[in-house]
Amino acid sequence: QKEVEQNSGPLSVPEGAIASLNCTYSDRGSQSFFWYRQYSGKSPELIMFIYSNGDKEDGRFTAQLNKASQYVSLLIRDSQPSDSATYLCAVRGPGRRALTFGSGTRLQVQP
Amino acid sequence: ETGVTQTPRHLVMGMTNKKSLKCEQHLGHNAMYWYKQSAKKPLELMFVYSLEERVENNSVPSRFSPECPNSSHLFLHLHTLQPEDSALYLCASSQDRTNEQFFGPGTRLTVL
Repeated sequence: QKEVEQNSGPLSVPEGAIASLNCTYSDRGSQSFFWYRQYSGKSPELIMFIYSNGDKEDGRFTAQLNKASQYVSLLIRDSQPSDSATYLCAVRGPGRRALTFGSGTRLQVQP
Repeated sequence: ETGVTQTPRHLVMGMTNKKSLKCEQHLGHNAMYWYKQSAKKPLELMFVYSLEERVENNSVPSRFSPECPNSSHLFLHLHTLQPEDSALYLCASSQDRTNEQFFGPGTRLTVL
């Protein structure tokens, strides 16, 4: 079982819709959860982090964490073509500084 | 400059060459990282330095040699690489306590 799993996609949504990106992780002791956006040919850019169960909102982005289900998600409201990118889920395990990344989900927002 | 910078941005080298990648962070962070990103594979951690001490090493081949002279600079020395080492090499930094990592633009390495 991979430590951090994401559906590779592509996930295609129309402009203005809500995009829902999902991630599961295997280490129940994981403490910190991050979402990065990576445009083709560019480096990952941090867009959200969440440490506690529940929802965290930042502009059009909402991160949701359910530690009991070992599940973290990212919702993007009012999706724009500029949101088209690969979204990487990253998890920090107990006692570690480094992050473990999923393979990413490619999002395509259709104009 | 601000954030995390990396040089060079692109590098082509033969298998017998020796080269170095440089990373500099201007964020006042105390931890720095090297990651490798190959096509269609997740980001792979290579090395972690915290307060200039290597604290994590993900079983990376000895042809990759990191160096962290101070908390703002990180190098990756390369020698006798293989074609399968061609990838995007990313440097990141974080403040140890929060671990929100910020990435540099990467070095696209091609080994011929």
